[in-house]
Amino acid sequence: GAVVSQHPSWVICKSGTSVKIECRSLDFQATTMFWYRQFPKQSLMLMATSNEGSKATYEQGVEKDKFLINHASLTLSTLTVTSAHPEDSSFYICSAGPTREQFFGPGTRLTVL
Amino acid sequence: GESVGLHLPTLSVQEGDNSIINCAYSNSASDYFIWYKQESGKGPQFIIDIRSNMDKRQGQRVTVLLNKTVKHLSLQIAATQPGDSAVYFCAESSYSNTGKLIFGQGTTLQVKP
Repeated sequence: GAVVSQHPSWVICKSGTSVKIECRSLDFQATTMFWYRQFPKQSLMLMATSNEGSKATYEQGVEKDKFLINHASLTLSTLTVTSAHPEDSSFYICSAGPTREQFFGPGTRLTVL
Repeated sequence: GESVGLHLPTLSVQEGDNSIINCAYSNSASDYFIWYKQESGKGPQFIIDIRSNMDKRQGQRVTVLLNKTVKHLSLQIAATQPGDSAVYFCAESSYSNTGKLIFGQGTTLQVKP
């Protein structure tokens, strides 16, 4: 199957700082990528749809000014958590796929102190 | 709003037995369904999918059944092994909704040796 990578796999930051997470499709091009957030023992919640060359589409309740998404190329989407706070601590996962079948990255564990 | 739910939060089975994990969905417009396996600290791993024009699909040791009449999806795992222990999520997608995935709550499968 297709391979999706994420970087970093984990990050610890201080409250008020910004953190950038990268999502890459390694062996296919993706005009659309998706970003999810997962809290402990909960399901994945879709945050936004990342569209190559255009603005991201955010789900209801997700602050677009706090979670900045950039999809500058067909293999890379970035999620920047701005002015992070402890409540933003979570597992962030991206997905992409050459067809409707979505492949997920390994996730990024964000801890905000 | 749209939601996909699971009946059982935890399923405990004996090694070698068959496992059945259930899922209910509410969006009648969904036309694509996927089962994912997620191990602790990792991203979801694709198991099997099914389109709405089918009611059964088989893979290696896994079978997915779709009942559109009652909006029910199930995953059957034959001869369950300790390596099958994980959280299982169903997800649904509608082509008209950009193909994004809506995840169910998840079922933890525990396999006893």
